[in-house]
Amino acid sequence: DTAVSQTPKYLVTQMGNDKSIKCEQNLGHDTMYWYKQDSKKFLKIMFSYNNKELIINETVPNRFSPKSPDKAHLNLHINSLELGDSAVYFCASSRSGQGKETQYFGPGTRLLVL
Amino acid sequence: AQKITQTQPGMFVQEKEAVTLDCTYDTSDPSYGLFWYKQPSSGEMIFLIYQGSYDQQNATEGRYSLNFQKARKSANLVISASQLGDSAMYFCAMRGTDTGNQFYFGTGTSLTVIP
Repeated sequence: DTAVSQTPKYLVTQMGNDKSIKCEQNLGHDTMYWYKQDSKKFLKIMFSYNNKELIINETVPNRFSPKSPDKAHLNLHINSLELGDSAVYFCASSRSGQGKETQYFGPGTRLLVL
Repeated sequence: AQKITQTQPGMFVQEKEAVTLDCTYDTSDPSYGLFWYKQPSSGEMIFLIYQGSYDQQNATEGRYSLNFQKARKSANLVISASQLGDSAMYFCAMRGTDTGNQFYFGTGTSLTVIP
């Protein structure tokens, strides 16, 4: 009955590979997010997405692409992985249009690119 | 533009003492929400407390309280009676009505509770 789940929890891969991280939420939220947390713990928004709108952080390379098959899922696909992509990636969800509604975070995916 | 500033990269507090973690924000939204999250060493992000910009009273949740000073644009987190388990990273975040569904996070404060 986990609210926001991510798979895999750990991902170790070689430079140049393509990988995906899956995210699912069972909270009935209509907005989902991807964040990147680097080694200094800075939390950077990458994407937010609901049925109507995809908002992309302009600093995110186009090697990163979110894919949402339905409201409960927002997967992150990464092409041509680079060393600098090593980080913890968090998925989150919230209810749109509700200022007091918090985000709920997944457990994170620890990506290491060798 | 929305901005959250946490000026304390690291803080130490004696067990059982109170500690204040600073957070200032900048926004042009007339209505907004302020949030605090805790991230222990295990890595998960845990929601702690919420303050609405029009709330008349400061938010409290158990040992957590938010010292909200709207005119100064500050939303400091106060943890009373610190426990060893409070050692973690703490993030302040803001969500504005004009910014849709976006949350803006500060750079975090690492809190260490000393026995």
